[in-house]
Amino acid sequence: DTAVSQTPKYLVTQMGNDKSIKCEQNLGHDTMYWYKQDSKKFLKIMFSYNNKELIINETVPNRFSPKSPDKAHLNLHINSLELGDSAVYFCASSQDAGGMGSPLHFGNGTRLTVT
Amino acid sequence: SQQGEEDPQALSIQEGENATMNCSYKTSINNLQWYRQNSGRGLVHLILIRSNEREKHSGRLRVTLDTSKKSSSLLITASRAADTASYFCATDATSGTYKYIFGTGTRLKVLA
Repeated sequence: DTAVSQTPKYLVTQMGNDKSIKCEQNLGHDTMYWYKQDSKKFLKIMFSYNNKELIINETVPNRFSPKSPDKAHLNLHINSLELGDSAVYFCASSQDAGGMGSPLHFGNGTRLTVT
Repeated sequence: SQQGEEDPQALSIQEGENATMNCSYKTSINNLQWYRQNSGRGLVHLILIRSNEREKHSGRLRVTLDTSKKSSSLLITASRAADTASYFCATDATSGTYKYIFGTGTRLKVLA
């Protein structure tokens, strides 16, 4: 049983399209995150939700819209895709929000390629 | 802004040798964590050290934390080929912003 699962694993699309990435965790965690990892492996937080409530929006373009229908799911919708959006997107979850020391549990990533 | 930076960026050693990687950060933290990322996979949590701790061990891993220098080191003893991966430190600032900031990572290659 995969603890944090995200789909799809690969996503190839053209500029200007709209796409979604889905994430589900079966760990019963309260907090979920989206991270973006660029080609240099730099991992940057995008969003964080705690019990379905947005608590971090890290200066991400508003073309990116996260949605958390319940605390086990956090989806990411991206409008009008641009070349610079090409990256690997990771979903993660933790029992508590930052400061408590709860480890993050990561999905295996979605490699988005925009052509 | 980026919280952590790690060095070296890349490290290549022989199996059986020890590997040491360092992490520096900028602001006061509650705790620091180390993660491993295998190629094409998500990050896996290795060990956590709290701001009031100086050293922690877990199996072949030894982590130190020096809050006065805002730095941490991860030592992997008796390395194995399976340890080949990227290693990242992650910190959460005491400002309570509910986020972990990751360092730039060290790519470790262990040669058999």
